[in-house]
Amino acid sequence: GDSVTQMEGPVTLSEEAFLTINCTYTATGYPSLFWYVQYPGEGLQLLLKATKADDKGSNKGFEATYRKETTSFHLEKGSVQVSDSAVYFCALSRSGGSNYKLTFGKGTLLTVNP
Amino acid sequence: SAVISQKPSRDICQRGTSLTIQCQVDSQVTMMFWYRQQPGQSLTLIATANQGSEATYESGFVIDKFPISRPNLTFSTLTVSNMSPEDSSIYLCSVFGSQETQYFGPGTRLLVL
Repeated sequence: GDSVTQMEGPVTLSEEAFLTINCTYTATGYPSLFWYVQYPGEGLQLLLKATKADDKGSNKGFEATYRKETTSFHLEKGSVQVSDSAVYFCALSRSGGSNYKLTFGKGTLLTVNP
Repeated sequence: SAVISQKPSRDICQRGTSLTIQCQVDSQVTMMFWYRQQPGQSLTLIATANQGSEATYESGFVIDKFPISRPNLTFSTLTVSNMSPEDSSIYLCSVFGSQETQYFGPGTRLLVL
């Protein structure tokens, strides 16, 4: 079945550091890939997405590129801020017919210190 | 994007009781989803709720434990029945927006004593 494996946390960085959170997936066909973010005490928010190979999703300074050859969708940000402290979830969905189920990774807790 | 609200936002319940969680969307949607997020864990899909039909449950989840209603295209409820401490989780509803993207409600934080 489908699965998402993401980098174990927690990740602790200083402000303005470079961030990478690794995500790889296993799925048949051509899934869509997502990064969701969950700020403390809040629900999930869509951060960015990519729906086909070589697409780059970007938002709020975060980027991730859909790499079919390596089945990866790593999240990056060049300079993190304290306000980026949150849990980040990588996810995939396989559309078509009634199969819109989202499969999530386990989440990576990011803490950014001033 | 869709605006989703959930009630209650949090609750503390006694073992053996039931809690009904409401999910309201600001637009008509065909499919609504209910997820569970256990402490420190990822999200797991409980069921998919379509208006006018029975909900479809994922492996490991049954209707007797998690009955779902979907009376119209903007509203759904999830009941957690005969609760035990293992049911302590965040319960989230979500809907499909444009371009295959799912949007999530703020969640209901449930603690069972």
